[in-house]
Amino acid sequence: DIQMTQSPSSLSASVGDRVTITCRASQGIANYLAWYQQKPGKLPKLLIYAASTLQSGVPSRFSGSGSGTDFTLTISSLQPEDVATYYCQKYNTAPLTFGGGTKVEIK
Amino acid sequence: QVQLVESGGGVVQPGGSLRLSCAASGFTFSSYGIHWVRQAPGKGLEWVAFINYDGSNQYYADSVKGRFTISRDNSKNTLYLQMNSLRAEDTAVYYCAKDPRSGYIYGTYSDSWGQGTLVTVS
Repeated sequence: DIQMTQSPSSLSASVGDRVTITCRASQGIANYLAWYQQKPGKLPKLLIYAASTLQSGVPSRFSGSGSGTDFTLTISSLQPEDVATYYCQKYNTAPLTFGGGTKVEIK
Repeated sequence: QVQLVESGGGVVQPGGSLRLSCAASGFTFSSYGIHWVRQAPGKGLEWVAFINYDGSNQYYADSVKGRFTISRDNSKNTLYLQMNSLRAEDTAVYYCAKDPRSGYIYGTYSDSWGQGTLVTVS
């Protein structure tokens, strides 16, 4: 099965900083990748699908890129409300594996 | 608007069984596949299973294959997860989550989530 590895596992950044989270697949998955945000005590929320397509209603400071094995989620200007854990998920074939998550905090 | 409401969680002994339900409303249930995703306390998300819109195709994580069965009753707008031979490592909040693709055989990602139901194996 394809493994999904996120890095870093956690990060701390200042408000306004550009934040980049990486997700690496152990084999190529084309662009079959989604990103989710889960705020503390809340449900996961879909941010991006097809590696780079922003879900309706998601702020434009979020963006995704990549194809094949290497993907990134970028927050162009970190806001206090972006404190959350972010997960990638592959969906080219089952099992539809999630990455281990990246916890984002404000410095 | 999409609403997914899970039920059936509780405390069960190792080796026991439990059946979870997910009642759906606000969309044409029979047109969409549904996932089960779980989250152990303080841990990350783990995809568990998917069933396509008409129930003809099911997919499972290796960790639950042979022990869990996903099914659906489109006449009742309800999804199920039958969990047998439960282990301590199955302890988690179980979410049902809607797939955004209508009439699709394979699972993709999830665009709506229920509030979850807690399963404790102890």
